[in-house]
Amino acid sequence: GDSVTQMEGPVTLSEEAFLTINCTYTATGYPSLFWYVQYPGEGLQLLLKATKADDKGSNKGFEATYRKETTSFHLEKGSVQVSDSAVYFCALSDNTGGFKTIFGAGTRLFVKA
Amino acid sequence: NAGVTQTPKFQVLKTGQSMTLQCAQDMNHNSMYWYRQDPGMGLRLIYYSASEGTTDKGEVPNGYNVSRLNKREFSLRLESAAPSQTSVYFCASEPGVSYEQYFGPGTRLTVT
Repeated sequence: GDSVTQMEGPVTLSEEAFLTINCTYTATGYPSLFWYVQYPGEGLQLLLKATKADDKGSNKGFEATYRKETTSFHLEKGSVQVSDSAVYFCALSDNTGGFKTIFGAGTRLFVKA
Repeated sequence: NAGVTQTPKFQVLKTGQSMTLQCAQDMNHNSMYWYRQDPGMGLRLIYYSASEGTTDKGEVPNGYNVSRLNKREFSLRLESAAPSQTSVYFCASEPGVSYEQYFGPGTRLTVT
């Protein structure tokens, strides 16, 4: 079945450091891919998405490119801020008949001032 | 628009008690979902409703029941709460297949 694997955390960075959170997926069809962010005490919210191969999603300085050849959707940001401290979830939604989104386990990011 | 709302925000139950978690969305979305989030386990799907009038089991449905009351509302019921159901519960809605999901703020449930 479909699955999402993302790097284990926590990831601890200093402010202004470069961020990469790896995400790979397995899917039978042509899924849409998402990154969600969860701030402490809140629900998940969409950070960015890509719906087809080679699409780049971007938002708030974060980027991720849909790579079909490597089945990956890695999240990157050039310069993190303390306010980026949160849990990040990679997810896929397979549009070949299901109504379910598959979430990765989440990666906690701590950014130190 | 309020988006997705959940009540209550916090709840403490004793083993064997029952309760219903309420969820409502005002975005006219077709699909709605209930998840539980436990430390180190990400989100696990309990039940979902692809459209008004339909519900289906997810990954961890045992001990739960749901009702899609109308297009706006999707409730989750625990008939006889167990300590293993201590978790944070999230409701989400989605306009259609392969679209992003919109989450409520969560209900933090403790069963003693």
